[in-house]
Amino acid sequence: GENVEQHPSTLSVQEGDSAVIKCTYSDSASNYFPWYKQELGKRPQLIIDIRSNVGEKKDQRIAVTLNKTAKHFSLHITETQPEDSAVYFCAASGSARQLTFGSGTQLTVLP
Amino acid sequence: DGGITQSPKYLFRKEGQNVTLSCEQNLNHDAMYWYRQDPGQGLRLIYYSQIVNDFQKGDIAEGYSVSREKKESFPLTVTSAQKNPTAFYLCASGGAGSTGELFFGEGSRLTVL
Repeated sequence: GENVEQHPSTLSVQEGDSAVIKCTYSDSASNYFPWYKQELGKRPQLIIDIRSNVGEKKDQRIAVTLNKTAKHFSLHITETQPEDSAVYFCAASGSARQLTFGSGTQLTVLP
Repeated sequence: DGGITQSPKYLFRKEGQNVTLSCEQNLNHDAMYWYRQDPGQGLRLIYYSQIVNDFQKGDIAEGYSVSREKKESFPLTVTSAQKNPTAFYLCASGGAGSTGELFFGEGSRLTVL
């Protein structure tokens, strides 16, 4: 089955700096890569996703890049703000068409 | 107000007891999922269902059971066979095939005393 590894597990940045979270996946048949944000005590919510037919997607301050050859994808957050503090999960949709999640990254934006 | 509702939010159980967690959605989604969330381990798939009256085991199905008698409902039973049941359980729904957005419930925190 699919295996998704996510790094780092914790990340602290100064407000206004950029944050980058990286994930690798194992199933070359995966074709859908979403990112979810989970604020403390709340449910995970989709913030951005990318499909295998594109290499990069942006939405305001967040962007995701995908390298299918290397089987890795990354989340980039620019101009970080305190409200970006949360746990971020990457995921990949494998050949069974079900999502496998990474272990999560606790992002802390320091004022 | 459309969404996905889990209950109860908190649940305490004595060892040896079965408990059932409720999950209801009014989003008309075909697919429903149960995930377990433990610190540092992300979300692990327990069971999923792509259509009524059909479901499949996920990565950690042992000690759990589900049913899908109605499109809107996907209850999870944590049986006494689950060796480490204390965890946060999340239910989700999405379009068929799960290649689209998943919508999560607010979760149920189970504590075994």
